[in-house]
Amino acid sequence: GAVVSQHPSWVICKSGTSVKIECRSLDFQATTMFWYRQFPKQSLMLMATSNEGSKATYEQGVEKDKFLINHASLTLSTLTVTSAHPEDSSFYICSAKGGLSTDTQYFGPGTRLTVL
Amino acid sequence: AQSVTQPDIHITVSEGASLELRCNYSYGATPYLFWYVQSPGQGLQLLLKYFSGDTLVQGIKGFEAEFKRSQSSFNLRKPSVHWSDAAEYFCAVGAWASSASKIIFGSGTRLSIRP
Repeated sequence: GAVVSQHPSWVICKSGTSVKIECRSLDFQATTMFWYRQFPKQSLMLMATSNEGSKATYEQGVEKDKFLINHASLTLSTLTVTSAHPEDSSFYICSAKGGLSTDTQYFGPGTRLTVL
Repeated sequence: AQSVTQPDIHITVSEGASLELRCNYSYGATPYLFWYVQSPGQGLQLLLKYFSGDTLVQGIKGFEAEFKRSQSSFNLRKPSVHWSDAAEYFCAVGAWASSASKIIFGSGTRLSIRP
């Protein structure tokens, strides 16, 4: 139980285009979902926290107009990187909290974004 | 503010040898503590967690960690490592006091296994 999936697992796009990444909790209802960014050989940096049906809370320094987060249901959250640029290239990981253990985050496998 | 320090960036141990990965935290109240493991290009897998109670916590894959409040530490241990344990290990601290709860990760320790 407590499986989180992400789609796509990797994506390559041209500079200036937008990319949507999906995060799904497959076997539990996620009351809260988190989006992280991880640069090579570095730790995870929290970008934003989203609760189903409400606006996401962004961490300081994260542009909310560039990284659009939607948490429309208890099993799905999406991150859209708008007008992507090469510096947005990174590994994006989502996590979800809920289900049997409401105090533990379960992580998705991550999405590798490369912006050319 | 919460913070987590993993002083060792990279550790190499021989297969079959014991392992200890260090983690120190800074948090005003009793912390929620986690150890996660990440294989290359993958997401994070929870190894174990401490919320309260017994300070020696058993996890998956033969790992354990001990919470020591006096030292603000939560070191991860394994008595005998296997080549498949080679990965990146993250210690994390969390607070679940409100809807603004979140996890703060340490910088990670890369574990290499010597055959």
